[in-house]
Amino acid sequence: GENVGLHLPTLSVQEGDNSIINCAYSNSASDYFIWYKQESGKGPQFIIDIRSNMDKRQGQRVTVLLNKTVKHLSLQIAATQPGDSAVYFCAESPRYSKLTFGTGTRLQVTL
Amino acid sequence: DAGVIQSPRHEVTEMGQEVTLRCKPISGHNSLFWYRQTMMRGLELLIYFNNNVPIDDSGMPEDRFSAKMPNASFSTLKIQPSEPRDSAVYFCASIVGTNTGELFFGEGSRLTVL
Repeated sequence: GENVGLHLPTLSVQEGDNSIINCAYSNSASDYFIWYKQESGKGPQFIIDIRSNMDKRQGQRVTVLLNKTVKHLSLQIAATQPGDSAVYFCAESPRYSKLTFGTGTRLQVTL
Repeated sequence: DAGVIQSPRHEVTEMGQEVTLRCKPISGHNSLFWYRQTMMRGLELLIYFNNNVPIDDSGMPEDRFSAKMPNASFSTLKIQPSEPRDSAVYFCASIVGTNTGELFFGEGSRLTVL
């Protein structure tokens, strides 16, 4: 896939550290939010989702936090690994499958 | 499970030529989406189908773009005539139903229009 190269915000973390990727969304009507991961040359891959009636949801090594008051979403990755290096997109939707994607954040994991 | 299959993976063509991109969704998935990804605009939804019927084509840029889904296992996105600004990676994705955002994406078709 064509990740938005030089213009993407980049987060560099050391292997083993925790990563926090942030996303601001704009549509107050959105009540469903998703995080996707895109590795170079591949399509986006679903990571985790959250509905607006929740403020936190946990998966395997990942946690999504939602603050609807300030329209902010974050993805926390615990014990970041080299395989986590990718571009991460948040997406929002007023109804489940019609998603609007953010511009993405590149995560670089250093050894 | 073979996943969503797209072809061609890469296409280089000259301005004015017709381009056809193809997608085979995951068997049993009844919704299909076409997205375009560029450096300037990120990931944009072009059109989506539910049970082979186009539901929302508001993202299709202009009349040069058309999409069809003749059956549950095949969809095409056609650009005629192509222009350099159409250069992008085009993704197809599929899901079961519409009450989820867990789209399964193909690996994309990278289009370059010279």
